[in-house]
Amino acid sequence: NAGVMQNPRHLVRRRGQEARLRCSPMKGHSHVYWYRQLPEEGLKFMVYLQKENIIDESGMPKERFSAEFPKEGPSILRIQQVVRGDSAAYFCASLPLRTGYTGELFFGEGSRLTVL
Amino acid sequence: GQQVMQIPQYQHVQEGEDFTTYCNSSTTLSNIQWYKQRPGGHPVFLIQLVKSGEVKKQKRLTFQFGEAKKNSSLHITATQTTDVGTYFCAGDDRGSTLGRLYFGRGTQLTVWP
Repeated sequence: NAGVMQNPRHLVRRRGQEARLRCSPMKGHSHVYWYRQLPEEGLKFMVYLQKENIIDESGMPKERFSAEFPKEGPSILRIQQVVRGDSAAYFCASLPLRTGYTGELFFGEGSRLTVL
Repeated sequence: GQQVMQIPQYQHVQEGEDFTTYCNSSTTLSNIQWYKQRPGGHPVFLIQLVKSGEVKKQKRLTFQFGEAKKNSSLHITATQTTDVGTYFCAGDDRGSTLGRLYFGRGTQLTVWP
């Protein structure tokens, strides 16, 4: 959904560098999710955050990956010391917290990371 | 862990032919969602099925949820070139976090004019 803003849309990094991906949820949405999509694959859940709180990070790799959603500003997915296997599309999704909401995700346009 | 399998991985059809993609979960699902992703694009929500045996239609698209709530299908009648894209099913296990979906690998549909 165009309301979820992600940047950068494309990012190229060399092995060992850091990648920072940003996501601003739709207005009125307080929950942010990060999903990763490897080439020719489905999306895999990484982490679920609310403002200043990580709710579920069970899909995050144990090392080099971290995520935050500060009180002010966008959510950030940070990948340290990138390797070629990190090359993927990273999608952010948000959803509202309202009665009757049934769980469909609103995805941003994604950040496509290429590691050289 | 929960797995959602989807077949076929690729489907090439002539415009006007029908198309079906199938989704099967290793566990009973609370609900199942379908998304479409155009080449180079992002997943866009199509529909959600909640009830056992549910069937929903959106114009030429028919979605079904199995009686056991472990499988689902999407059928497109008389495909058009605008149907090109990858169709994903995504299962929601209410035992897990809200919004945590288990996606199938997707079926990439190509439509020849």
